[in-house]
Amino acid sequence: ETGVTQTPRHLVMGMTNKKSLKCEQHLGHNAMYWYKQSAKKPLELMFVYSLEERVENNSVPSRFSPECPNSSHLFLHLHTLQPEDSALYLCASSQQRTDTIYFGEGSWLTVV
Amino acid sequence: GDSVTQMEGPVTLSEEAFLTINCTYTATGYPSLFWYVQYPGEGLQLLLKATKADDKGSNKGFEATYRKETTSFHLEKGSVQVSDSAVYFCALSDRGGTGGFKTIFGAGTRLFVKA
Repeated sequence: ETGVTQTPRHLVMGMTNKKSLKCEQHLGHNAMYWYKQSAKKPLELMFVYSLEERVENNSVPSRFSPECPNSSHLFLHLHTLQPEDSALYLCASSQQRTDTIYFGEGSWLTVV
Repeated sequence: GDSVTQMEGPVTLSEEAFLTINCTYTATGYPSLFWYVQYPGEGLQLLLKATKADDKGSNKGFEATYRKETTSFHLEKGSVQVSDSAVYFCALSDRGGTGGFKTIFGAGTRLFVKA
């Protein structure tokens, strides 16, 4: 059983839809991440939350909106996405003062 | 800035062959080094890590040695199996701001093992 759980595992949405990806970690960590993995591209860090405060945003389009209500939960709200946003979205967590990142199994997103 | 470079794939091997996937890095500090593995349809899993020079990380028959003099962390396995088919990511973690760590991943190397 993974310590980082993502739902849904698969999502198909239209460009005008609003949907959310959910992540929950059961490891007692205090930092959580969203990564985007597209075909033939490097893993892309989208957002980092540490102690519930967003500390990094790598110029991600505003159609992606993260929310971290507490140290165990992380959401990625999706609005008016484009087909090129179709990818695997990976949630991860770590303990702030350690360096190993633990990943969830990912949410496969298809934008039609 | 810090960076990780790993060999391009795909790498195709026959079962029981010897595997090497090269990884080199640049870093301003003293990073920890990792190999993560991603099996088809899954997220990334930590395979092994090394936190200081000359350390050897090992797991599931895979090994990698932290070589500070050559800034390398090559992944090796003596005899691969079909079940090792996956994408392998080299990564480094170095201290960023606010006392936390920043992790940088390589582009990934896909391994196919034929029976």
